[in-house]
Amino acid sequence: EVQLVESGGGLVQPGRSLKLSCAASGFTFSNYYMAWVRQAPTKGLEWVASITNSGGSTYYRDSVKGRFTISRDNAKSTLYLQMDSLRSEDTATYYCTRAPWGLFDYWGQGVMVTVSS
Amino acid sequence: DIVLTQSPALAVSLEQRATISCKTSQNVDNYGISYMHWYQQKPGQQPKLLIYEGSNLASGIPARFSGSGSGTDFTLTIDPVEADDIATYYCQQSKDYPTFGAGTKLELK
Repeated sequence: EVQLVESGGGLVQPGRSLKLSCAASGFTFSNYYMAWVRQAPTKGLEWVASITNSGGSTYYRDSVKGRFTISRDNAKSTLYLQMDSLRSEDTATYYCTRAPWGLFDYWGQGVMVTVSS
Repeated sequence: DIVLTQSPALAVSLEQRATISCKTSQNVDNYGISYMHWYQQKPGQQPKLLIYEGSNLASGIPARFSGSGSGTDFTLTIDPVEADDIATYYCQQSKDYPTFGAGTKLELK
């Protein structure tokens, strides 16, 4: 059974940093692209970043480019999202997703990130 | 960015057919594949993949869900609607950097 378990969320002040982790199990992690998708409170879904299976290439939405870094450790079957210079508009539930061919076929339960002073 | 447009809400009766539409600002087909996918999200839960590449049923999804369309016009059909289907439905394209529609909330009449 595919499982994705996020951790690392919480309350953080504007301008500070936070690092999310996603522990994957139930599939061969190193074979799949992975991604982060977020959802602001009462809003829709928004793709944040993707990473190839080797980690050699990464892709970001414009609003997080230069502030967020997606990475992975295939030996640990873990996906990361380093979030720097956080803004209030980054407040959202962040979902770790398995992302073959640009779709999102499995989702974690999500982790809440609140950016507020 | 490719913009996806969905109606905000749809009211339907149980055991009737629900048709949810998604229109894209650009063609999302390429080499015969429609890069359009559909998700269901219930309150307090993570989204779940229902349909991929326009019309393919994802693993474990009941056959009362189906997807159709091509180019810029796509439809998710639920027939018949069951009480467990009350949720918000999102379309998503992967022809370019991924974008989602704003979601259609399926409500009971």
